[in-house]
Amino acid sequence: DSGVTQTPKHLITATGQRVTLRCSPRSGDLSVYWYQQSLDQGLQFLIQYYNGEERAKGNILERFSAQQFPDLHSELNLSSLELGDSALYFCASSPRGQGNEQFFGPGTRLTVL
Amino acid sequence: GQSLEQPSEVTAVEGAIVQINCTYQTSGFYGLSWYQQHDGGAPTFLSYNALDGLEETGRFSSFLSRSDSYGYLLLQELQMKDSASYFCAVRDLRGSGNTGKLIFGQGTTLQVKP
Repeated sequence: DSGVTQTPKHLITATGQRVTLRCSPRSGDLSVYWYQQSLDQGLQFLIQYYNGEERAKGNILERFSAQQFPDLHSELNLSSLELGDSALYFCASSPRGQGNEQFFGPGTRLTVL
Repeated sequence: GQSLEQPSEVTAVEGAIVQINCTYQTSGFYGLSWYQQHDGGAPTFLSYNALDGLEETGRFSSFLSRSDSYGYLLLQELQMKDSASYFCAVRDLRGSGNTGKLIFGQGTTLQVKP
């Protein structure tokens, strides 16, 4: 158990819909990262927040957005969902902004039908 | 650009030693990390090499050669539970470099046979 929690564990929805994934980092960690893992793309970095502010952005689609709240939990919002958005979404956390060692949550498996 | 190459699959028998290689091309480099991921599970941090040489942690060791842009993960005394995917990763230093953005290799699936 890494100490990072993610909800929900599974999510099944339809194309065009919007969903919100939630992540609580380990106690004391200031950085939160979001990754997408699909069969053909591997683990892809989406975005990093550090102490409430966006720190780094990957190839995150404009339909996706995230934020980190004052209590340091984070939410990833996915809208206008497409079949290709079906994937495992992982949240990770680290104590500081430069996370060579990141602690991953159990992931949310999103299925878009 | 930034890229990491590792073999897609490796098979070994219980009790044996296996080496998973990773070569990288990056603009700037701080170090090489390794993660383990069991099927459907979360990636778990194994090791980080910032300097050349071998780092040992129990049955797992990781090696880095910065001059060769090459590293490897060595697993000794293989156990069935070591069957998993193994990913090498580097931090993306483009831009400010002051981030934890990790770029992962495509992963190596290790199958340990009895």
